[in-house]
Amino acid sequence: DTGVSQDPRHKITKRGQNVTFRCDPISEHNRLYWYRQTLGQGPEFLTYFQNEAQLEKSRLLSDRFSAERPKGSFSTLEIQRTEQGDSAMYLCASSFSTGVPGANVLTFGAGSRLTVL
Amino acid sequence: AQKVTQAQTEISVVEKEDVTLDCVYETRDTTYYLFWYKQPPSGELVFLIRRNSFDEQNEISGRYSWNFQKSTSSFNFTITASQVVDSAVYFCALLTSGTYKYIFGTGTRLKVLA
Repeated sequence: DTGVSQDPRHKITKRGQNVTFRCDPISEHNRLYWYRQTLGQGPEFLTYFQNEAQLEKSRLLSDRFSAERPKGSFSTLEIQRTEQGDSAMYLCASSFSTGVPGANVLTFGAGSRLTVL
Repeated sequence: AQKVTQAQTEISVVEKEDVTLDCVYETRDTTYYLFWYKQPPSGELVFLIRRNSFDEQNEISGRYSWNFQKSTSSFNFTITASQVVDSAVYFCALLTSGTYKYIFGTGTRLKVLA
């Protein structure tokens, strides 16, 4: 297994454009998470999936953000009408759920860095 | 409310020195989990340790050790005989029972100088 993969690693876009990030989790992991990290800060929770179901969304996730995990495998995070404040590292993580939240150790990808000009 | 505070923004030490990274957490839940992750320059966060709120035993793994004290709501991380490869940003995180939303601190950047 090659771990959690994210694509693209870097994206530069102009304000107002749409961007999409893809995450391929570890194959046997049933939970998938999206976090956002800005410079000098820790990761902030955005949303998570169990299989294909999106179970929780942060209030940080405005209407311009949408995430999907259509077949319970890979996930996409789309940002519409990007703003300069969206510039950040978008981190994907996955875990295998045992039903006990604390048992879920997150495996992170290397992140997708977004720069909005 | 849940919160994790890592008051040390950046620490610099000389190789072979011991260094302790502080983590203070806030939660009203009695069942919770604490984690430490390392983020090297490559950017990928790497899991180091997990503790649950019912287990206050300190843990040692090689040069790494963790001191969990519920009385002070702290979960500190000590690196003994630091090495240049330990240079990274270290994050403490909290997970409370019934949620899968990890709360991360702002991280401590550790620089180990040769």
